Amino acid sequence: ETGVTQSPTHLIKTRGQQVTLRCSSQSGHNTVSWYQQALGQGPQFIFQYYREEENGRGNFPPRFSGLQFPNYSSELNVNALELDDSALYLCASSFARLAGGYRETQYFGPGTRLLVL
Amino acid sequence: KNEVEQSPQNLTAQEGEFITINCSYSVGISALHWLQQHPGGGIVSLFMLSSGKKKHGRLIATINIQEKHSSLHITASHPRDSAVYICAVSFTTGGSEKLVFGKGTKLTVNP
Repeated sequence: ETGVTQSPTHLIKTRGQQVTLRCSSQSGHNTVSWYQQALGQGPQFIFQYYREEENGRGNFPPRFSGLQFPNYSSELNVNALELDDSALYLCASSFARLAGGYRETQYFGPGTRLLVL
Repeated sequence: KNEVEQSPQNLTAQEGEFITINCSYSVGISALHWLQQHPGGGIVSLFMLSSGKKKHGRLIATINIQEKHSSLHITASHPRDSAVYICAVSFTTGGSEKLVFGKGTKLTVNP
């Protein structure tokens, strides 16, 4: 059973550019959540994907978008990067059966550290 | 809006001490999570609970739904317990799940 992996580990971009971050969920999981953690702060919920559809979104602008693929891996895309987008981006996967209100613990990846200059 | 407050923000202890970190939240939740984050960023999920108490090794988590309060206890603390401990709550609105995190408690255990 493999854990949650993220790529790349580090990334440097300039303002206005676009970035794609990737997350491979743990085997057997169907839900992926993305979080942004600024330095010295707790993580902020960006959005969650469940079985390829967005299932909940935090207070992030539309330039933050995502995808979940049939194998339940996921991408986070950020357009028109701003300096404040510099942060650690974490993804977490879990298993859920939303119809029955059943959710298991989330397992976190190591994160992608993004620096916007 | 669900707010999550943790206390203390920083905690320094001597090896062997019993440690308590507290978490309060403001609205009804479906679950509460305790997470551990080491320098460098990796997060480990310690507990997910919606009622009562859970224990794993030297860690104990409790939750009081009526008082909207949870505690994380570490018995016989060790320097390797030094990390940031984060409380997060999940709640559903309109069928969607949202998570709100506290700012974390930085724990330093000295030998």
